[in-house]
Amino acid sequence: EVQLLESGGGLVQPGGSLRLSCAASGFSFSTHALSWVRQAPGKGLEWVSTISGSGRTTYYADSVRGRFTISRDGSKNTLYLQMKSLRAEDTALYYCAKGDCDSTTCFPNDASDIWGQGTVVTVSS
Amino acid sequence: SYVLTQPTSVSVAPGKTARITCGGNNIESKSVHWYQQKPGQAPVLVIHYDSDRPSGIPERFSGSNSGNTATLTISRVEAGDEADYYCQVWDSTSDHRVFGTGTKVTVL
Repeated sequence: EVQLLESGGGLVQPGGSLRLSCAASGFSFSTHALSWVRQAPGKGLEWVSTISGSGRTTYYADSVRGRFTISRDGSKNTLYLQMKSLRAEDTALYYCAKGDCDSTTCFPNDASDIWGQGTVVTVSS
Repeated sequence: SYVLTQPTSVSVAPGKTARITCGGNNIESKSVHWYQQKPGQAPVLVIHYDSDRPSGIPERFSGSNSGNTATLTISRVEAGDEADYYCQVWDSTSDHRVFGTGTKVTVL
């Protein structure tokens, strides 16, 4: 069974840092892109970042570029999101999501076919 | 930046057809994906690449994409279809993934 399990969320003060993890299982980790998508309370889905299967290509939303870093470790089948200089507006449920394409021909136009249950990040003093 | 506009809400009676639109400039040139999200749950992919259904998604769900509008159609609506629905594309100009504003489907 394909699964994604996020962890690392919590309460952090403005300006602080946090690292989210997403443990993946049940699929060929290195051939699928992975993304982080967040959802603020009562709001819609907001894309945060995407990384290619190889890890060589990364993309970021303007709202997080320069503050967040996406990475992946194939030896641990784990996706990461390092978050720095956190702001109140970063408060959200953070989902990791798997790309539905195992070929470079469809990246980054692929959809996310598997999502984790999310981890909550709260930025507040 | 590229913007995807959806109606805030759509109401439909059981057994009828719901159509959810997703408007974007020349959206027909992009691959559109649709997600269903029920309260307290993670999103579920219901249509990808404009009109393809992932495994396990009922045939009642279909998609189309033409001109400046993509459409998710839910036929023979059931109470269990009540959820928020989001469209999504990749904007190659900005190298950003873009989600629509979301549509709440209410089954009367």
